Formats: sequence, structure tokens, C-alpha cells
Amino acid sequence: QSALTQPPSASGSLGQSVTIYCTGTSSDVGAHHYVSWYQQHPGKAPKLIIFEVNKRPSGVPDRFSGSKSGNTASLTVSGLQAEDEADYHCCSYAGKNKDVFGTGTKLTVL
Amino acid sequence: EVQLVQSGTEVKKPGESLKISCKGSGYTFSNYWILWVRQMPGKGLEWMGIIYPDDSDIRYSPSFQGQVTISADNSINTAYLQWNNLKASDSAMYYCARRKDWHFDLWGRGTLVFVSS
Repeated sequence: QSALTQPPSASGSLGQSVTIYCTGTSSDVGAHHYVSWYQQHPGKAPKLIIFEVNKRPSGVPDRFSGSKSGNTASLTVSGLQAEDEADYHCCSYAGKNKDVFGTGTKLTVL
Repeated sequence: EVQLVQSGTEVKKPGESLKISCKGSGYTFSNYWILWVRQMPGKGLEWMGIIYPDDSDIRYSPSFQGQVTISADNSINTAYLQWNNLKASDSAMYYCARRKDWHFDLWGRGTLVFVSS
């Protein structure tokens, strides 16, 4: 099971929007509506911010949104704030109670 | 409080054995899959394997099959990740996480494992 592909880095200015892509295959991202995204600040554990492609857990700002097209999922952060600077990891269900994570993207807020 | 509490930092030598733990509280531990994740310094999250404590159904990533052993003890709401022959390349942060439906909604704070001669 190969890792999902994410860009190593992304950046955007305060108040702007940025989109991070996560590319998998027809066996994972393309096969299931079960893509999730995790935010990880330095030295901290990952935190769930998007599940089932586009749903937000309680307490996650609506500035975070997700979508999927074919084998590629995306996370958009709108109205960038300084605290959004973190690593972002996508994850997809891959069948048979297994999942696969993405390679991770470091988001810098300029 | 619903939480996963992981055991503390470990410093070991190559060839030694190690078992780290992840204790759940505030929910019915046996009813949720527990995932183990490796994160090497400066790298992404790696899916290692997952266990359903109720019946000890375990799935391993091919990358970690045979390299580690995952287990659970329902009586004390604890999952384990074990090595029998540590290598320097096992040095990493290890997280446990609870699967709810098809995502991971609850994470431990991580256990740092350092292997060096």
C-alpha cells in the first residue's frame, strides 16, 4: 500500500486561501468516500479536521473544507490565520479495515 | 474524559525488546479499533497496524508485518505495540489513535522511542 501523494509544502498569506491536494489510486481515494484530514502542530499529536471527505468535527472552524474528485482529494483553508501554520496529513480508507496516509504537507502562513 | 494515554519515552539499545502501551478511558474500549502510527523525525504519518480489542482482529501494513506485534488487553483497556529486536531505524514517535467509523477521532500524545548503542 503506497502512501498517498501530497506536496511537501504549501503557503499562503494571511487572509488568503490555500488548497492542498492528496492523490491516491482507484483502490483508496477513488474507491471510498472516506478521506480524512489531520492537522499537526510541531511537537503535538495529529488532530482530526475533516472526515468523510467534507465533514467537519465539532469545534473545527468552517474555514476548513474538503472535497474529492476521482483519485484526488483536497483540503482548502480559507481566510488563513497564523495558527493554521502546521503540517497537514490526508488519509483514505483502502478496504479490509486498512487505511493509508498521505506524505504530509507543511503549510506556511506568510 | 475520553482519552488515550500512552506510555513514556523509551531509550533502548539495538537488539533489545520493547513493549509500549496505549490506555483508553472514558469510552467502551473494546468497541473501537485502535491504530498504531509511526512518525519518523520530520516525516509523515505511517499506518502500521490496527486492532479491534473486542476480538483481537489485527491488520498489519505489509511494511510492518513481521517487524512488530500488536496486541490488546480488554480487561485493562490497553493496546500494545511490541518489538523483539529493536533497530536504530525504529527510532521514532509512535502514536495510537481510535478509529470512529472511517476516521481517527482520538489520538494519544505519542511515545518517543530512541534506539542507539
